[in-house]
Amino acid sequence: EAQVTQNPRYLITVTGKKLTVTCSQNMNHEYMSWYRQDPGLGLRQIYYSMNVEVTDKGDVPEGYKVSRKEKRNFPLILESPSPNQTSLYFCASSLSGVSNSPLHFGNGTRLTVT
Amino acid sequence: SQQGEEDPQALSIQEGENATMNCSYKTSINNLQWYRQNSGRGLVHLILIRSNEREKHSGRLRVTLDTSKKSSSLLITASRAADTASYFCATDARNQGGKLIFGQGTELSVKP
Repeated sequence: EAQVTQNPRYLITVTGKKLTVTCSQNMNHEYMSWYRQDPGLGLRQIYYSMNVEVTDKGDVPEGYKVSRKEKRNFPLILESPSPNQTSLYFCASSLSGVSNSPLHFGNGTRLTVT
Repeated sequence: SQQGEEDPQALSIQEGENATMNCSYKTSINNLQWYRQNSGRGLVHLILIRSNEREKHSGRLRVTLDTSKKSSSLLITASRAADTASYFCATDARNQGGKLIFGQGTELSVKP
């Protein structure tokens, strides 16, 4: 089944403890992206990647890192999480960029930082 | 930066009625997309309309795009309780590279 898989679905952690949210897609998509969703603010793009080894900042990249060493994986790294990073996170992928291809979303990771 | 803004923020209708949601944006776009999200789940793509298109249909969905007014509308005809969800427009702005920017969404409630 074609899908975007995020893990974990739920995560509770403490301030400053490094964490990684994994994202994997099995559709051979070139483009991958991370969004965070907060009440009243909608979805905001954190980072995106047009292809392997190519990553770019979205609108809210501060406090996050990403890497794209392989086509299928695009992990989101929080080196020192803070409470303002408590949010619902979505990974998404598309065949080639966003100009002609729709995004396929994972089911989300709900992160709580205390 | 919020490119798309949906209107209304919330909409409540009866089953069988039509639902219309609007989206306005600020800059020139390559395309505009509509997505649906069931509570807390991942978004699902509904329709992509390119800047040179004016109208597009998919089943009970009809999307229009007016680039002169920088606005789009999503019409769901003969709504069902299962259409209850949040609906988001997203714009691929020109000169923005790989960014797809989402609006804040319209929360649709369809009562049986």
